[in-house]
Amino acid sequence: NAGVTQTPKFQVLKTGQSMTLQCAQDMNHEYMSWYRQDPGMGLRLIHYSVGAGITDQGEVPNGYNVSRSTTEDFPLRLLSAAPSQTSVYFCASNLAGHSYEQYFGPGTRLTVT
Amino acid sequence: AQSVAQPEDQVNVAEGNPLTVKCTYSVSGNPYLFWYVQYPNRGLQFLLKYITGDNLVKGSYGFEAEFNKSQTSFHLKKPSALVSDSALYFCAVRLNYGGSQGNLIFGKGTKLSVKP
Repeated sequence: NAGVTQTPKFQVLKTGQSMTLQCAQDMNHEYMSWYRQDPGMGLRLIHYSVGAGITDQGEVPNGYNVSRSTTEDFPLRLLSAAPSQTSVYFCASNLAGHSYEQYFGPGTRLTVT
Repeated sequence: AQSVAQPEDQVNVAEGNPLTVKCTYSVSGNPYLFWYVQYPNRGLQFLLKYITGDNLVKGSYGFEAEFNKSQTSFHLKKPSALVSDSALYFCAVRLNYGGSQGNLIFGKGTKLSVKP
């Protein structure tokens, strides 16, 4: 299994540009999540999905959109990039159930100038 | 509100010495507790979890953690540190009930530095 994969690894955007961060998992996990990691702030949840067609907001959803048309894929869209969105983004997935650990992708480092 | 605290930004240990990385939590019900490790420029890797039962849980790479309900703590430990253990460690908590996925709440991380 490839596990959780993310593309691209690095991205530089200009303010106002849009882009999509890709995330895919091949473990047939129901749950998928997007986090951002900023120095000294740990991981903050942006959006999550409990299954295909179902998404919900996390702690810091503003400026981001998600959709979940298949079990495998969970893309994150930046609608109009801002310097405050400069961060490292991680996608994660896990089986349904609160006792299950999350599996993380390698991350996308995004810089907005 | 649920929260996780890692009171130390950095822990320094000499190789071969025991290490402890501290974590305390605040939740209104019974928690599920997790430890993750992040090596530079990598994603988070699962180390161990407490669900129920024995308060001492063992995980990957020789790490273990002790759940203490009265002190609401879940400290990560290892009897003999290795230089290769140097990384960023995250504690996380999730409630064991609720109709949603019960999202993980992460601490801010503790940087562990093991010197030869």
